[in-house]
Amino acid sequence: IVLTQSPGTLSLSPGERATLSCRASQSVDSRFLVWYQQIRGQAPRLLIYATSTRAAGIPDRFSGSGSGTDFTLTISRLEPEDFAVYYCQQYGTSEWTFGQGTKVEIK
Amino acid sequence: EVQLVESGGGLVKPGGSLRLSCAVSGRTFSDLYMSWVRQAPGRGPEWVGLIKCKADGETVHYAAPVKGRFTISRDDSRNTLYLQMNSLKIEDTGVYYCATDVPYSGGGAFDSWGQGALVTVSS
Repeated sequence: IVLTQSPGTLSLSPGERATLSCRASQSVDSRFLVWYQQIRGQAPRLLIYATSTRAAGIPDRFSGSGSGTDFTLTISRLEPEDFAVYYCQQYGTSEWTFGQGTKVEIK
Repeated sequence: EVQLVESGGGLVKPGGSLRLSCAVSGRTFSDLYMSWVRQAPGRGPEWVGLIKCKADGETVHYAAPVKGRFTISRDDSRNTLYLQMNSLKIEDTGVYYCATDVPYSGGGAFDSWGQGALVTVSS
């Protein structure tokens, strides 16, 4: 399953809302759709699993939604520490795949 | 809190071999599904493979680019995960992470990651 993320780069200001898209080449079981945040030089950090469940310690400004082939990560109000690269990932078949990432940068 | 510590990275020539290890503490290792994820310079993460726990048959799945060249194994008595990499190619260069998932999430929601081991394949 190929995951295509859009946009490639999102230029926003702190306090603004960010909406990131992840589209799958075929239907994904919503139990197995995940979002990560990665800051340069660090391992990815789990944000959301099972499409909409926040991982431990993740603030509630992060939310996930979607089904089938279309999934969305929303950051309601960007904080300075949220400017990073975000990846979606699916699993549940015999091969796990990541999207190519969306960079959220400061405008 | 689970801790994962990789070791064994380094520089290797194309066609060569390398073995990575991942020592795990803080959770019952024998209950865990364990994965390897790599990241080439400037690229996104790429899943390499997964090994299930003994109770689920220690089933192993591999990504297509590494199938037949890489072998994932585990030693529950040592709380350690391994990645044996043979016939290495230049495109295998990257940081290799071991990771484990949110309990009962099915193996792919990686909430714990190691610090990464750098593998460089170059002549």
